[in-house]
Amino acid sequence: QKEVEQDPGPLSVPEGAIVSLNCTYSNSAFQYFMWYRQYSRKGPELLMYTYSSGNKEDGRFTAQVDKSSKYISLFIRDSQPSDSATYLCAMRKGFQKLVFGTGTRLLVSP
Amino acid sequence: GAGVSQSPSNKVTEKGKDVELRCDPISGHTALYWYRQSLGQGLEFLIYFQGNSAPDKSGLPSDRFSAERTGGSVSTLTIQRTQQEDSAVYLCASRPSTDTQYFGPGTRLTVL
Repeated sequence: QKEVEQDPGPLSVPEGAIVSLNCTYSNSAFQYFMWYRQYSRKGPELLMYTYSSGNKEDGRFTAQVDKSSKYISLFIRDSQPSDSATYLCAMRKGFQKLVFGTGTRLLVSP
Repeated sequence: GAGVSQSPSNKVTEKGKDVELRCDPISGHTALYWYRQSLGQGLEFLIYFQGNSAPDKSGLPSDRFSAERTGGSVSTLTIQRTQQEDSAVYLCASRPSTDTQYFGPGTRLTVL
């Protein structure tokens, strides 16, 4: 079993939809949770970074962490075609290596 | 400011040849990481440098892989006697002392 599970998609939605992306994990020691966006043939770009359980909002993006269920989510409101990319969840304990999900490919159609 | 840079952006090599991949981290970032991303796979940790501490090499897949970081800045990942299964995108990331990692654009390695 992988430490971090993420549905690879693709997830196809129309422009303006609310998108929900999710990851589950098995290691309760993970403390820091991140979401990265990766466009084709580019490096991952940090979107959201959270430490504790609860919600964190940044513009159209909301990151949610539920440590009791070992479940994290990224919500994108008013999705745009420019949001089409692969979204990677990542997590770590302390300042050690990041453990990544496989990524979910999102397609937002105009 | 300038981000993490990697060179070359693309590398095509023949099976059995050695390759060197370079990473220039963000100035002042104390930690540097190498990851590998294969088609349909997530990012796989390879090696981690933190200041003057001994690197964490726990992710290197074989002794054909090695990396060094000179002067606490530039890092080189070397793959000896490349195999076709080494074909992947090799990503470098750097981190300041208290924040999370920032990635470079990657080097796409193709082993024929």
